[in-house]
Amino acid sequence: SAVISQKPSRDICQRGTSLTIQCQVDSQVTMMFWYRQQPGQSLTLIATANQGSEATYESGFVIDKFPISRPNLTFSTLTVSNMSPEDSSIYLCSVDPGWNGYTFGSGTRLTVV
Amino acid sequence: AQKVTQAQTEISVVEKEDVTLDCVYETRDTTYYLFWYKQPPSGELVFLIRRNSFDEQNEISGRYSWNFQKSTSSFNFTITASQVVDSAVYFCALSGTGANSKLTFGKGITLSVRP
Repeated sequence: SAVISQKPSRDICQRGTSLTIQCQVDSQVTMMFWYRQQPGQSLTLIATANQGSEATYESGFVIDKFPISRPNLTFSTLTVSNMSPEDSSIYLCSVDPGWNGYTFGSGTRLTVV
Repeated sequence: AQKVTQAQTEISVVEKEDVTLDCVYETRDTTYYLFWYKQPPSGELVFLIRRNSFDEQNEISGRYSWNFQKSTSSFNFTITASQVVDSAVYFCALSGTGANSKLTFGKGITLSVRP
């Protein structure tokens, strides 16, 4: 299955600042997915990122808050902008290599203080 | 819209007991995929199984087994002879195809296996 390198693994940020999370995949994939997992909760899809087009955001998530870049078929970034303590979560990227289960990055544990 | 319901929130068993984790799903797609993931305390998501909607054969992998029943829209997961290392949060998930290939997760079941 695909291997995803996600970084940073964790960060503590001041409110009002922004953090960019990177995911690098070891193979070319059409779609990449970004999820948020709030403390003690399930995973919620933020957006789907296709190479060469704007990301598609789920209800409740907007581009100004979570801008996404997808410059090629192996890389994507998610930025959490103007952070508040409510943004403290684990953020995960995911891909579907097409032959097995969706692969997830190891996650970015974000704490906003 | 797709939906996954994991009605059980927390289960506690003693080691060596068998335990079944329930999953019920809703979808209008005729082609879809069902998944189970394990999230141990370390936080990473571990893929356990992927099943497509046309394959209702039950599957066994070591101590793990899965029962897929389209008639009841269920995809249940049984751990036989549970071990302490099975303690984790288990998520059932559903995806469609093409533009609907995103994963929809259930709320997860926290399994605690006591020695």
